[in-house]
Amino acid sequence: ETGVTQSPTHLIKTRGQQVTLRCSSQSGHNTVSWYQQALGQGPQFIFQYYREEENGRGNFPPRFSGLQFPNYSSELNVNALELDDSALYLCASSSRGIYGYTFGSGTRLTVV
Amino acid sequence: SQQGEEDPQALSIQEGENATMNCSYKTSINNLQWYRQNSGRGLVHLILIRSNEREKHSGRLRVTLDTSKKSSSLLITASRAADTASYFCATAPMVDAGNKLTFGGGTRVLVKP
Repeated sequence: ETGVTQSPTHLIKTRGQQVTLRCSSQSGHNTVSWYQQALGQGPQFIFQYYREEENGRGNFPPRFSGLQFPNYSSELNVNALELDDSALYLCASSSRGIYGYTFGSGTRLTVV
Repeated sequence: SQQGEEDPQALSIQEGENATMNCSYKTSINNLQWYRQNSGRGLVHLILIRSNEREKHSGRLRVTLDTSKKSSSLLITASRAADTASYFCATAPMVDAGNKLTFGGGTRVLVKP
């Protein structure tokens, strides 16, 4: 059984650029969630995807968008990057109706 | 915004001692979960306690939940240096909002050998 895999591990982008982060779900999991974790804080819910549709969204602007693919992998896209977008981005998968998430190791995004 | 508040923010203990951390939350929940995070990497799920449960054990971990006080505690017994990490509580809402978790700010635990 594979876990949750995220890529890339680290990324440096310039303000105003766009970025795509990727996540492969754990085998058997059909729900993917994305979280943003600023340094020294707890993770903040961005959004969740279930059956390729957005299924809940946190307090993040529309420039944060996502996709889920038929194989349940997912992408997080952020447009017009701002300095405050610098954070650890965590992907988590689960089986709908079964609580308890499996998290990936995260992508550390630095915006300069 | 974060639902949970964790106390203390940081904890330093000697190996072999017990570590206790607390979490308070604001709204009704379906369940509460505890996670561990090492060095700012991925979160590891430790234990889940449902709103109709009061206490749960898993190895050296003991979790309590008091829904009347909207609070939970995590006890790590006989701590080891490898327990050094940040610990987060996370709540799942009563109403199904896609299993969204709301995390607290975390407790940073240092276990000294």
